[in-house]
Amino acid sequence: EVQLVESGGGVVQPGGSLRLSCSASGFTFDTYAMHWVRQAPGQGLECVSAINAIGATTYYADSVKGRFTISRDNSKSTLFLQMSSVGDEDTAVYYCVRLGMPGGLDSWGQGTLVIVSS
Amino acid sequence: EIVMTQSPATLSVSPGERATLSCRSSQSVSSSRLAWFQQKRGQAPRLLFYGASTRATGIPARFSGSGSGTEFSLTISTLQSEDFAVYYCQQYNNWPWTFGQGTKVEIK
Repeated sequence: EVQLVESGGGVVQPGGSLRLSCSASGFTFDTYAMHWVRQAPGQGLECVSAINAIGATTYYADSVKGRFTISRDNSKSTLFLQMSSVGDEDTAVYYCVRLGMPGGLDSWGQGTLVIVSS
Repeated sequence: EIVMTQSPATLSVSPGERATLSCRSSQSVSSSRLAWFQQKRGQAPRLLFYGASTRATGIPARFSGSGSGTEFSLTISTLQSEDFAVYYCQQYNNWPWTFGQGTKVEIK
């Protein structure tokens, strides 16, 4: 069974930093691209960042480019999102998501809540 | 950036009835790289369809997806109580991948 478990969320002050982690199990982690998708309270979904299977290619939404860094440790089946210079607009539930082989974001973690507040 | 527009925002339907949700993209989505998700309150989204019309694993046959180019739709043939939720379309043709704003299917 595919499992994605996020951690690292919490309250962070504006301008601060936070690192999210996602521990993956139940599949061959190093053969799948991975994504971070966020959802602000009561709002829709936003693709924040993506990374290919070997970590060589990364993508960022304009809203986080230059502030967030996605990475992965395939030896530990773990995905990361380093967040810096956070602002109110970054308050959201952050989901770790697997990109399925035939297509589509097919497996989602339960999400970790990030609250930016002073 | 491709803008995805869903309609209606809210759909009020009685159990047992048919529901049709629409999704339009601002640019053509090639190879039908269009997905649909269902999200229930307090839960993560669940993939329903990819490639516009290919059901994801475990999705019941009462759900169907169709469309191409810039016009797509999701149909639930006979609504069950567990189908009342918010539905999102998403294009994964061009980065940034973008979602529609969602259609809430509520009990009439």
